Amino acid sequence: DADVTQTPRNRITKTGKRIMLECSQTKGHDRMYWYRQDPGLGLRLIYYSFDVKDINKGEISDGYSVSRQAQAKFSLSLESAIPNQTALYFCATSDLSANEQFFGPGTRLTVL
Amino acid sequence: SQQGEEDPQALSIQEGENATMNCSYKTSINNLQWYRQNSGRGLVHLILIRSNEREKHSGRLRVTLDTSKKSSSLLITASRAADTASYFCQTASYFCANRGGSNYKLTFGKGTLLTVNP
Repeated sequence: DADVTQTPRNRITKTGKRIMLECSQTKGHDRMYWYRQDPGLGLRLIYYSFDVKDINKGEISDGYSVSRQAQAKFSLSLESAIPNQTALYFCATSDLSANEQFFGPGTRLTVL
Repeated sequence: SQQGEEDPQALSIQEGENATMNCSYKTSINNLQWYRQNSGRGLVHLILIRSNEREKHSGRLRVTLDTSKKSSSLLITASRAADTASYFCQTASYFCANRGGSNYKLTFGKGTLLTVNP
């Protein structure tokens, strides 16, 4: 089984809908991250969490919220999706050294 | 704006040749990492180099870091068709925020698309 899983893998939704993307990990890592990837822009950090009680905004947090339900789970929400949030979303984890991040397979989100 | 910028944006070589990709960044960093991504899939960590290191090797990979020029290079020797992928650098910076807090900044570059032709 994959160490970092994301659900759903693909999602098509309409403008204004609330969407939740979920991430689970079995690596026992404390640190979890959400990124979005757009063509030609690389990956940009949305939110990160160093432990269950710690949530931090990344480079592009506007329009997103997160919840760290447990050490193993970190979900990303779009309260009211808009078309420019169409992107590939990745969850990642790392241990306390934060030297290496382990990425999930990604969720392709399309907002119509 | 992006902290890391890879150069070139795309690189096409023949199998057996060496591939060199560069990454430039703007502010001081604690470490720099290189990742590989096959089309539409998650990133895979390749190698990390700390700010006090100048060169590291891992198999066919060689990474250099020049903090005075704020740049890093990734060299893949004896390339194979299976090396075809996008390569990204990521910089990590830890800094003290106002009011005694601390902060952590992770930034990816836009990537280099490497194509290795058989």
